[in-house]
Amino acid sequence: AQSVAQPEDQVKVAEGNPLTVKCTYSVSGNPYLFWYVQYPNRGLQFLLKYITGDNLVKGSYGFEAEFNKSQTSFHLKKPSALVSDSALYFCAVRDRYSGAGSYQLTFGKGTKLSVIP
Amino acid sequence: DAGVIQSPRHEVTEMGQEVTLRCKPISGHNSLFWYRQTMMRGLELLIYFNNNVPIDDSGMPEDRFSAKMPNASFSTLKIQPSEPRDSAVYFCASSFGGDGYTFGSGTRLTVV
Repeated sequence: AQSVAQPEDQVKVAEGNPLTVKCTYSVSGNPYLFWYVQYPNRGLQFLLKYITGDNLVKGSYGFEAEFNKSQTSFHLKKPSALVSDSALYFCAVRDRYSGAGSYQLTFGKGTKLSVIP
Repeated sequence: DAGVIQSPRHEVTEMGQEVTLRCKPISGHNSLFWYRQTMMRGLELLIYFNNNVPIDDSGMPEDRFSAKMPNASFSTLKIQPSEPRDSAVYFCASSFGGDGYTFGSGTRLTVV
């Protein structure tokens, strides 16, 4: 079984300050990890992913995430928040060695990020 | 590539009517997923297909819901009869080999 926890329903940060959106996961094997962003009245958009290799992953719009195997975490970060970053953020996980044809991602409940001008 | 295309973008229907939502996945993608999003329940996986074959439909809420994928470029999600509690945004997503999903823009369904 695989699961994702996003412990904060909402995160508020002032524009220009660093932001962190937290995510922890559980899989039986090694994980594939993803972050998606959803703007109002839009579908989910891919931000970044961790498959293997460097634990620090860089993605779109200046976002990055750090894979921490010992803490089973994959927190999303940005050094300087913009008002336009305000959106709903989803973390997702898949077991790397799930059965052939079983490509189901498990999503967290989402974290609403509000960047205050 | 135009991405995952869903139609209609908005649907308002009366309780008891049949509703059909449509999805065209990205060409070459071999997995297709239907999700439902509501404020109360968040993002729920309804069903997914791999190579046009339904793999897991355990998320389909009731027999009123059915989904088909007659070929690699088209899928439908049907609700018959529709009920007000079916009101939600329905998303389709496609993937190749499980390397992340591409989502469509969604269909906002309102059942009155």
